[in-house]
Amino acid sequence: NAGVMQNPRHLVRRRGQEARLRCSPMKGHSHVYWYRQLPEEGLKFMVYLQKENIIDESGMPKERFSAEFPKEGPSILRIQQVVRGDSAAYFCASSPPSQRSYEQYFGPGTRLTVT
Amino acid sequence: GESVGLHLPTLSVQEGDNSIINCAYSNSASDYFIWYKQESGKGPQFIIDIRSNMDKRQGQRVTVLLNKTVKHLSLQIAATQPGDSAVYFCAEKREEQTGANNLFFGTGTRLTVIP
Repeated sequence: NAGVMQNPRHLVRRRGQEARLRCSPMKGHSHVYWYRQLPEEGLKFMVYLQKENIIDESGMPKERFSAEFPKEGPSILRIQQVVRGDSAAYFCASSPPSQRSYEQYFGPGTRLTVT
Repeated sequence: GESVGLHLPTLSVQEGDNSIINCAYSNSASDYFIWYKQESGKGPQFIIDIRSNMDKRQGQRVTVLLNKTVKHLSLQIAATQPGDSAVYFCAEKREEQTGANNLFFGTGTRLTVIP
């Protein structure tokens, strides 16, 4: 039973390029969350998605960031025109539906470096 | 050894001693709390959780205590081992938004076990 999968594990982008981060939830999980972590800090919530729906994007920057969780395929966090301040570790978590939806299991993260 | 979370982000203990990691949360509406362990270069790993209608929960070598009066959470690790060295985060789920399950993370405490 594979856990949450994220790829790539490491991503290097130059300023102005686009970054695409992928997350495949655990089998049977229909809720996906994205978090950002700066070095030596806790995780900051970005967005919460269910299949084809954004439930809560209160932690997403208003510009350049978007997320989707299509009916088929992984969830994608997209960062357009990256800047140095976007360098961070981005973690995806998934949770089962309904009553246990608060139990979140994290992937290994994608470490984005903007040069 | 004992930490006060935000004020003492590093805790060093001798192997075999008990560790106590503290966390203060801010929102009295939070109804669910989780402790995560994060090793270097990895995603957070679920350790133990507790709902707000409980004040204590025990797992294997770990105990979580919840004091809602002072909004304080602690993680106790018995007979600390070198493999316990990591950063420990408390996270809270807030109930004020319908359908929202996003977690709010504390700053974290780095536990170092001295052999």
